[in-house]
Amino acid sequence: EAGVAQSPRYKIIEKRQSVAFWCNPISGHATLYWYQQILGQGPKLLIQFQNNGVVDDSQLPKDRFSAERLKGVDSTLKIQPAKLEDSAVYLCASSLESASGYGYTFGSGTRLTVV
Amino acid sequence: GQNIDQPTEMTATEGAIVQINCTYQTSGFNGLFWYQQHAGEAPTFLSYNVLDGLEEKGRFSSFLSRSKGYSYLLLKELQMKDSASYLCAVRGSNAGNMLTFGGGTRLMVKP
Repeated sequence: EAGVAQSPRYKIIEKRQSVAFWCNPISGHATLYWYQQILGQGPKLLIQFQNNGVVDDSQLPKDRFSAERLKGVDSTLKIQPAKLEDSAVYLCASSLESASGYGYTFGSGTRLTVV
Repeated sequence: GQNIDQPTEMTATEGAIVQINCTYQTSGFNGLFWYQQHAGEAPTFLSYNVLDGLEEKGRFSSFLSRSKGYSYLLLKELQMKDSASYLCAVRGSNAGNMLTFGGGTRLMVKP
């Protein structure tokens, strides 16, 4: 089966600019997650979707971050305006069901550098 | 909330055995996962434990003790390609069942 697709692979922007990331999960996977991974740290959950509904966005900085999953398939994560501390890899993951014994399948991530 | 601790770095020799420990404190528990992440790549699933005991999968084994809030990942017959970060993650028992990750253990395998 095809994996989780993410684009772009890399992005460099200046602080205060806007940026958007796209994710296409594995076909049929109802649950989709966005994680932020700062260099040298473990991934931190930003938001979880179940189909097109938000399950948990308690750690999403809502003053600058937004995410949507229209039609319960693809998802976009947006940062507006970006700060230097947003430099990180943004990982999208999906799972068939939230309690799967196989955890998540991750995409290759988008490496964001804010200068 | 969740608190997950694992060593930051470890070094081992090719052909040896290494054990990576993980301790956790959670408000609910619904399974523990280990992921491998090579530099610049996405994490990939290694193992899953939800009951106490040892799960063996080839050169890799994972152990869980729920009463002690403790797990370890055991890597045998180390190979150079095992140099990577190893992430311990706990799934809570909340509505979302999401995974909370530790900071990762960076393993360096030397010849």
